[in-house]
Amino acid sequence: ETGVTQTPRHLVMGMTNKKSLKCEQHLGHNAMYWYKQSAKKPLELMFVYSLEERVENNSVPSRFSPECPNSSHLFLHLHTLQPEDSALYLCASSATGDDGYTFGSGTRLTVV
Amino acid sequence: QQPVQSPQAVILREGEDAVINCSSSKALYSVHWYRQKHGEAPVFLMILLKGGEQKGHEKISASFNEKKQQSSLYLTASQLSYSGTYFCGTERGGGRQGGKLIFGQGTELSVKP
Repeated sequence: ETGVTQTPRHLVMGMTNKKSLKCEQHLGHNAMYWYKQSAKKPLELMFVYSLEERVENNSVPSRFSPECPNSSHLFLHLHTLQPEDSALYLCASSATGDDGYTFGSGTRLTVV
Repeated sequence: QQPVQSPQAVILREGEDAVINCSSSKALYSVHWYRQKHGEAPVFLMILLKGGEQKGHEKISASFNEKKQQSSLYLTASQLSYSGTYFCGTERGGGRQGGKLIFGQGTELSVKP
């Protein structure tokens, strides 16, 4: 499989649940990103990993916890979420250098 | 720090042209352009790195005025397939080891037959 793959595509979770979102890229990229896309809002940068090290944490609440075990995989661990966290969560990857980002199809998260 | 896009929405007839603008209040290293169709992932169109640079992608081109921190996306002879939401993304500073790409609010483009 090529490109950036995100699982699951849809997720419904209660506010007391713990779940994880997974992102996998097969492009040989060495930077990976999490973005949040809410209705009527722009894409919001959450986390940036470069060469498996977190280089950006864009003031994201601690109930979101990223993990990057290697350059091909990125996780977003979720716990004690709020209804306003319901959104489309997009993963992206890029090569270092001046190229564009490749986005996954996203995980549609609903917190009930 | 979020770039500002204009217009917010535009409706075209097939074959018409459109311009989408992206402005930043900060000095920029690069500007990206993406298109997102409903229910799909954003797709990279092009990146502009230098002041005054112009690039083309089929009938879609863009310019970047570094001094004004502005970029414009030009869609000529629009096709139905051009419909979607267009986002500009901006990066500050030089070089990149894991960039910090900040997106504008998007411009919704609808092309009608």
